[in-house]
Formats: sequence, structure tokens, C-alpha cells
Amino acid sequence: EAQVTQNPRYLITVTGKKLTVTCSQNMNHEYMSWYRQDPGLGLRQIYYSMNVEVTDKGDVPEGYKVSRKEKRNFPLILESPSPNQTSLYFCASSTHRELADTIYFGEGSWLTVV
Amino acid sequence: AQTVTQSQPEMSVQEAETVTLSCTYDTSESDYYLFWYKQPPSRQMILVIRQEAYKQQNATENRFSVNFQKAAKSFSLKISDSQLGDAAMYFCAYRSRRGAQKLVFGQGTRLTINP
Repeated sequence: EAQVTQNPRYLITVTGKKLTVTCSQNMNHEYMSWYRQDPGLGLRQIYYSMNVEVTDKGDVPEGYKVSRKEKRNFPLILESPSPNQTSLYFCASSTHRELADTIYFGEGSWLTVV
Repeated sequence: AQTVTQSQPEMSVQEAETVTLSCTYDTSESDYYLFWYKQPPSRQMILVIRQEAYKQQNATENRFSVNFQKAAKSFSLKISDSQLGDAAMYFCAYRSRRGAQKLVFGQGTRLTINP
């Protein structure tokens, strides 16, 4: 079954405590992305990767880091989380062949920073 | 930069009736796709329908259809025979050839179905 798996699904953390949200896909996709969803703003792209060792900033990259050491994994790192990073986060993956190709989303990770 | 605007934060409809959700977008590109995603309370992102910019014919998927007006940069979603399970947040999204690595989303419209 085609899957994008994120962990943890729910997390409450304190300001400044480093955390990593993992993302893994089993479809051998080249493209992977992280989005955050906030009320009234929809989903906005944080970072993306077009293949192993190729990453770039999206629209809202401040306060986040990513890495792509393996094709299947694309972790999102918050080095020093702040309350304004409280959000719902989605990992997504797709092929790069066709625009119409389905983009697969993970189930989302709720992050609260207090 | 491309932008997608959903001007209706909330909509409601009686069960079995028809509702139309609005979406406009701004782009200077010619090769792109438009999508509608449904997000139920589970927060899962579910693709409802997609439309290629080069196709004049409006896409249809069962009770869901779009009205794609390319010149007006408008992409509305019509849900016919609304069902309780249609209640969700709906997002309009855009993906271009030049920016294929991402979807640009609208703000979302929360749809309520009244029994």
C-alpha cells in the first residue's frame, strides 16, 4: 500500500527543545515536501527535496531544517522551537514525471510548542 | 508568485442540495494543474478532482465537478446531491510545470451539511 508515514502524530514540547518529525514514503518518489497548515492561511510549503541530497527552501523555511540522506526519508528538524511553530504539519511525496501525478500526504503531525 | 484565493471561509448546504465553492488564482504561466482537496475532521488530505489548464472540458468525478474559467482564472467546485460525509474543509490548489515541486493552496472553505 502506498504510504507516507509521519511520526509523531501528536507532540507537545517546550520552547527551545530540539525536535524532529520523521517522514517516510514507500513509493520511491523523488519529490518530498513539508507543509504547515494554519487557520486562514491554508497549507504553506516549508522545505522541499527533489532527490537525495537535494533540498531547498519553500515559502516559510525560517526556524526549520531538513535533510535527505535516503530517498525514502525526509525528516523535519526544529532546532529551537518557538510558540509560533505550533501548527499542523504535513509531509508529502510525488514523482517528478507528470504534473497530474498524485501527491501523497501523510496523516499530519500536530505540534504544540509551549 | 502564484497565489490561490478562496473567498468563502465557510459555506453550508442542506443535505441533497447543490453547493458551489469558489476559487480564483493568479499566474502568468500556461502549463499548470488545479486541484480540489478535501480535509475531513481526521485531517487527512484527500484529492477530490484535478483539472489540466490545457483542457477546456471541465473535470467531473461522480457528484463533484468543476467550472474552470481559464481567462478569468477561476476554478469553482460544484458538489451535487450533498451528503453528510461531504462535510469537511476544502482546499483549492495549484501546481505549475515551473514550480512542480510544490502545491500552492488557498485558505480553505469549511463546508457544513445540514440534515
